[in-house]
Amino acid sequence: QSALTQPASVSGSPGQTITISCAGTSSDVGKYDLVSWYQHHPGRPPQLIIYEVSKRPSGISDRFSGYKSANTAFLTISGLQTEDDSSYFCCSYAGTSIFLLVFGGGTKLTVL
Amino acid sequence: QVQLRESGPGLVKPSETLSLICSVSGASVTRDNYYWTWVRLPPGKALEWIGHIDNTGNTNYNPSLKSRVAISADKSKNQFSLSLRSVTTADTALYFCARDVLQRFESWGQGTLVDVSS
Repeated sequence: QSALTQPASVSGSPGQTITISCAGTSSDVGKYDLVSWYQHHPGRPPQLIIYEVSKRPSGISDRFSGYKSANTAFLTISGLQTEDDSSYFCCSYAGTSIFLLVFGGGTKLTVL
Repeated sequence: QVQLRESGPGLVKPSETLSLICSVSGASVTRDNYYWTWVRLPPGKALEWIGHIDNTGNTNYNPSLKSRVAISADKSKNQFSLSLRSVTTADTALYFCARDVLQRFESWGQGTLVDVSS
């Protein structure tokens, strides 16, 4: 099984809106609404920011949103803030006859 | 609030067994119905789901690692552990333990770096 494909880096200025893609296949992202997104600052535990494609956990800013189209999921961050400068990775359920989760390679967001 | 913390040696020799422990507080690994999971991040690569154990002791493993991996739980210490046999330099990674709730990881440990080197 291959990892999901994310751009290595994206950048934006404070206040702008950016979108990070997470490309999968019809066996994972396209098949299940079980895509989650995580923010990861080095040295800290990853933090869940989106689950089941578009749902936000309690306490996560509504500047973060998610959706998917066909085999690709997207994370949108609006009103960029300097604290959003971090790495983001996606995850999808990919099991058929077995339980399996796959991750994206991660995207480094730089807030200029 | 659940907290997880990984522990174990930071250096393992090739061909030996990597052993890590995840200590859990704020939840029970043998009572609460979650998947207690190991994930790793090799340098410069994508995160990789290693496998998990549920509260009944059932396990699932990534097919790519299944022949070398075992995850178990210790009820008395409220811990779960990872054992990865016959390691190579490709197993060098930051290893995380996490709690999977309906295929989302709501809680993670800080991660522990394991270097496979002679």
